[in-house]
Amino acid sequence: ILNVEQSPQSLHVQEGDSTNFTCSFPSSNFYALHWYRWETAKSPEALFVMTLNGDEKKKGRISATLNTKEGYSYLYIKGSQPEDSATYLCAFSPGTNAGKSTFGDGTTLTVKP
Amino acid sequence: DAGITQSPRHKVTETGTPVTLRCHQTENHRYMYWYRQDPGHGLRLIHYSYGVKDTDKGEVSDGYSVSRSKTEDFLLTLESATSSQTSVYFCAISVPGQDDYGYTFGSGTRLTVV
Repeated sequence: ILNVEQSPQSLHVQEGDSTNFTCSFPSSNFYALHWYRWETAKSPEALFVMTLNGDEKKKGRISATLNTKEGYSYLYIKGSQPEDSATYLCAFSPGTNAGKSTFGDGTTLTVKP
Repeated sequence: DAGITQSPRHKVTETGTPVTLRCHQTENHRYMYWYRQDPGHGLRLIHYSYGVKDTDKGEVSDGYSVSRSKTEDFLLTLESATSSQTSVYFCAISVPGQDDYGYTFGSGTRLTVV
């Protein structure tokens, strides 16, 4: 079983704060790292897929970076809004079986107005 | 839109009974997955399939079986339901060469075993 860890487990911030969380994954046999956003009572939705070391992706106020050599990815949210409240999941795809992702347990973000 | 439909959406069943959950997709995607979601555990892979009659176990496969006799349907069966199998079950698909195997999820099935 591959070890994919996310921290912190939960985070409470005020509207307007910027925040970040971490996903750590195996530094070998890497194919891709996926970030998903999961709102309560809905299904997870894809945010980013990252494949290259040093990659940085951005979508609005949310961005992510990737370090495959040391096995971590950061997700940043700038100027958090209440609608950013969700659980953010990362998923590691190994090179030997790229279709079979292992998920972290998620970071649950709550943004207070 | 991958057109993924899970049925039923909700089910309550008794301990010891068999239960089958269905995942149906309309796009002829080969890769399909069953995950379960439990508090504090994120999503854990039960079984997956890379095509008709091509299935394999995930990390939490004990007590579950799957079948894929048609590309569009991936069935998950709890052979004899136990309370520990109370969970939300998600089906997903991925497409090789598209978003680097990123998943699209169905809406989930909430199963309660009493």
